[in-house]
Amino acid sequence: GQQVMQIPQYQHVQEGEDFTTYCNSSTTLSNIQWYKQRPGGHPVFLIQLVKSGEVKKQKRLTFQFGEAKKNSSLHITATQTTDVGTYFCAGGGADGLTFGKGTHLIIQP
Amino acid sequence: NAGVTQTPKFRILKIGQSMTLQCAQDMNHNYMYWYRQDPGMGLKLIYYSVGAGITDKGEVPNGYNVSRSTTEDFPLRLELAAPSQTSVYFCASSYSGSAVSSYEQYFGPGTRLTVT
Repeated sequence: GQQVMQIPQYQHVQEGEDFTTYCNSSTTLSNIQWYKQRPGGHPVFLIQLVKSGEVKKQKRLTFQFGEAKKNSSLHITATQTTDVGTYFCAGGGADGLTFGKGTHLIIQP
Repeated sequence: NAGVTQTPKFRILKIGQSMTLQCAQDMNHNYMYWYRQDPGMGLKLIYYSVGAGITDKGEVPNGYNVSRSTTEDFPLRLELAAPSQTSVYFCASSYSGSAVSSYEQYFGPGTRLTVT
């Protein structure tokens, strides 16, 4: 079955530094979604990418979908304490999502 | 709108006991899902439903059952609880139609289950 890998598993940064998490799928994806989960919380949808090579921005967050639609990345510029949490990528559609294991972002003030 | 609600928030079960995790959504979504999340891990799909009366297995369905008698409700049943079912359970819903291209899922707050 489809497998989605994410690296790194943990990332420690100083507040103000940039952060990037990478996602790779074993199969070509029709779309990729990104979710954020705060400690003790539930996943919250951030964005969906559909097109090959697509790049989308949300304020300090930049999302990319690879040309082959098998990889994706999330980049956060100048991290803030509010960015703390786990970022998950997920592939799939109406029949459910396959999630990566997530990248835990830890920010040191 | 309350969105997706789940009860209970926490539960401790003894090995061999049974229970039902409740999930409801008020967004008129046709698709609903159950995931489990083990500590420090991603979410794994247990079961999903594309509409009332229709359910299908996900990646890890063993030890669970579901039903979908209404659009709003999607309960998850655990029979003969085992320690391996200790996890956080999330219910989610999404709207999918011919004119909709987004599979964005809305998650409930989760049920934290411990089996001892």
